[in-house]
Order: sequence, then C-alpha cells, then structure tokens
Amino acid sequence: NAGVTQTPKFRILKIGQSMTLQCAQDMNHNYMYWYRQDPGMGLKLIYYSVGAGITDKGEVPNGYNVSRSTTEDFPLRLELAAPSQTSVYFCASRHRVDQNIQYFGAGTRLSVL
Amino acid sequence: GENVGLHLPTLSVQEGDNSIINCAYSNSASDYFIWYKQESGKGPQFIIDIRSNMDKRQGQRVTVLLNKTVKHLSLQIAATQPGDSAVYFCAENPSIQGAQKLVFGQGTRLTINP
Repeated sequence: NAGVTQTPKFRILKIGQSMTLQCAQDMNHNYMYWYRQDPGMGLKLIYYSVGAGITDKGEVPNGYNVSRSTTEDFPLRLELAAPSQTSVYFCASRHRVDQNIQYFGAGTRLSVL
Repeated sequence: GENVGLHLPTLSVQEGDNSIINCAYSNSASDYFIWYKQESGKGPQFIIDIRSNMDKRQGQRVTVLLNKTVKHLSLQIAATQPGDSAVYFCAENPSIQGAQKLVFGQGTRLTINP
C-alpha cells in the first residue's frame, strides 16, 4: 500500500490563478481530511469528508472547495489564489469511526506570489 | 472555542536523556488526545494517543500522561535518540465519535544534542 499520496509536492501560483491539489489513498478509508499548516504553526482543518459524496467545512474553508466522488480521491480546489493561501497542505485519511488514527500524506508546498 | 497550546516552543536535550513535551488544552469536553511527530519536509506521523478515561498510556519509549483536572497533556520520550529530533504536536478531538475534527497545538521543536 502506498498510503496517502499527494500531488504535486511543490507549486508556485500567481495571484488569481486556480489549481487543484490531489489526494489519493489506497487503504479504503472512509474519512478524509484537508489541513493547512502555516510556518511555525499547527495544522488547521479546511474540509473533511466522511464518505463518498459527503463533504463538510472545517475551521478555515474560505477560498477552497472539495469534492469526494470516490472513496479513494479527495481533491482540494483553489479558485482564485491569494497570498494568504501560501502554506503547506496536508491530506489525511482514517478508516472508520472506531479507529482514531489519521494517516497523513507528505504534503504540498504552495506559494502564491 | 477550542484552544490547544504548548508551554515551550523549543526543547533541547542530550542524547540518551529523557524529554518531556507539554501541552495545555482548554476544551473540557475533549475526550481524545493524540501526539504526532513531524520531521522536516514530511507529514505528521502518529506516535501515541489517549482517551479521557485514562491517565497514562505507554508505548515503545513513549508515555503520554493526561491530567484532566488542570487540562494538561504531556509526552515523555525515554532515552532520546538523534532520530527523535522533530516537531511534536498534540491534538485534541472534542468527541471520539463522528468525523474527528482534530484541533492541533502550535508544536514543540525537539532537538537532540550529541
């Protein structure tokens, strides 16, 4: 198993551009999460999903959108990139409600200039 | 709202010594806590977790202590090794049921000196 795979690893965007951060997991996990991590800070939850077709907002959802059309994939969309979205983005997954550990991908480092 | 914080942002210890990383939380409704280790350029990696009905839990070289009276959590690492150098995060979950929307602390950078 590859675990949680995030692409790309690095990306530079210009203000106003859009992009999609990809996240895929091959562990058949129901729950998936997107976090952002600003320098010297902990992770903050952007969006999460409890299963295919179901998504919900986390603590900092503004400026982002997600979809969950399959169990495996949970892409994060930035429509109009802003400098405030410069951050490292992590995707995580968890099996089901009675299994607590979230498994993280390696992250995508995004700079908006 | 929830607030998970750390007493010290950095900690340096000698190789072989024990280290203690502290974490304070403010949400008394939280019933699940978890420690993650994050090495440079990598995603967080699970270390150990504890439910609120426990005071202590041990793993391999790691122990987590929970003091609900003062809303304090600590991670003890025994006989530290160079590979323990990383940033350590505590996180809390207000409810062990449901989606598990973790709230992370700022993190403590642990440096192991040779």
